[in-house]
Parts: sequence; C-alpha cells; structure tokens
Amino acid sequence: AQTVTQSQPEMSVQEAETVTLSCTYDTSESDYYLFWYKQPPSRQMILVIRQEAYKQQNATENRFSVNFQKAAKSFSLKISDSQLGDAAMYFCAYRSYAGNTPLVFGKGTRLSVIA
Amino acid sequence: SAVISQKPSRDICQRGTSLTIQCQVDSQVTMMFWYRQQPGQSLTLIATANQGSEATYESGFVIDKFPISRPNLTFSTLTVSNMSPEDSSIYLCSVEEGPYEQYFGPGTRLTVT
Repeated sequence: AQTVTQSQPEMSVQEAETVTLSCTYDTSESDYYLFWYKQPPSRQMILVIRQEAYKQQNATENRFSVNFQKAAKSFSLKISDSQLGDAAMYFCAYRSYAGNTPLVFGKGTRLSVIA
Repeated sequence: SAVISQKPSRDICQRGTSLTIQCQVDSQVTMMFWYRQQPGQSLTLIATANQGSEATYESGFVIDKFPISRPNLTFSTLTVSNMSPEDSSIYLCSVEEGPYEQYFGPGTRLTVT
C-alpha cells in the first residue's frame, strides 16, 4: 500500500517570502500522480498543482512549483511571493496510475503567513 | 472542473440518529469517492461509489454504518447511521475528472452531541 508522509505539521512564512513544504511517499509503482491540495478555513479542498511521475519536468502553476525527485520519492511544494491568502492546510496526495482510484493523503502541513 | 455541491453544509445531530448527506455533480462521472476528515486530521477514504453497483468500502468502514447510494451518474448519498460523538467529522465527496484530477465538494460538517 502507498503511504504519504508530511513531516512538518506547521510552517510559517513572512508575506512576500518563499516557503517550501516537504512531502515524501512510498510506493512500488512506477507510474502514478502526485498532488498538492490546499484547504483554507472554509474547508474547501482546492487542487493547487499536479505532477505526473513519468514527466521529469517539475510542474509550475504561477507562484506554486514543485521539486519532484522520483528516485528519492520526494515531492516538495514551493510557494513564492507568499500572500496572506496562502494561509491554509496543505495536503500532499498520491494517486495510482490506474483510472478512478482514490487519493492517499499525507497528514497535512498548516501554513501561516505573517504580515 | 466539475461543480460539486453537498447538502447539508453542516448539521448538529443527537447520538443514535442518522444523517444522509447528498452529493450532486454538474456532469456525469463514473466514480465518486466519499472521504471523512476528523477534527484536525487528514482525509480518509470511506468508500468508492460506482453507478449501478455496490460501493466498495475501505478497511474500518462497513455498509451498515455508512450505507451509500449511487442511483445515477451525477448523484450519490452517504448515510451516517446510529451516530456517536466519534462520527463528528467533515464528510467530503469527490469526483475524478479527466484524465486523473480529483475535485471535491465543499464538505458537510457533522457534529454529534
């Protein structure tokens, strides 16, 4: 079974600075997908960024980028130019390559943004 | 992305009673997923609901406690039966939209007193 580990329960960052959230995972599969979700206090789960394991290039979405290290089974999220609205819980998630399979989530990292 | 709604958004229930949560999607989807998020915790999969067949439950979750219906490709319900305070959680439905991304409903916050 796959597992996802987020070793940082809480992080903080100054507004306009950069922060990196860590995520490692364990799997025996060679093809899979990885995601970062954001959950603000409204509790709505918002997809931030996704990465296909077969792609070497790291995914980027505006201020959000990932550092995907397949051999190390590491998938960190970098948030640049942090904004107050970035404050939320961030969950790393794994999905098998097979279609219509559920996500496996890490325990989450609570990010605070300091004005 | 698919627009997903859930009803109710929140409820306070007495122990021993049951609550049915509805999940509606604005497009047809093959699979719907139900997750539970206990206070301060991550998301745990309860079951996978495929239209026209019995839901598939994860270890630790049983049909008698969490019956699920999936009458068509845009709708599903999750019932939390014979509730206890330990069932106080956020319940979320999600759907997969091509080719592999999952999107979530706004969640139902359940408090059992």
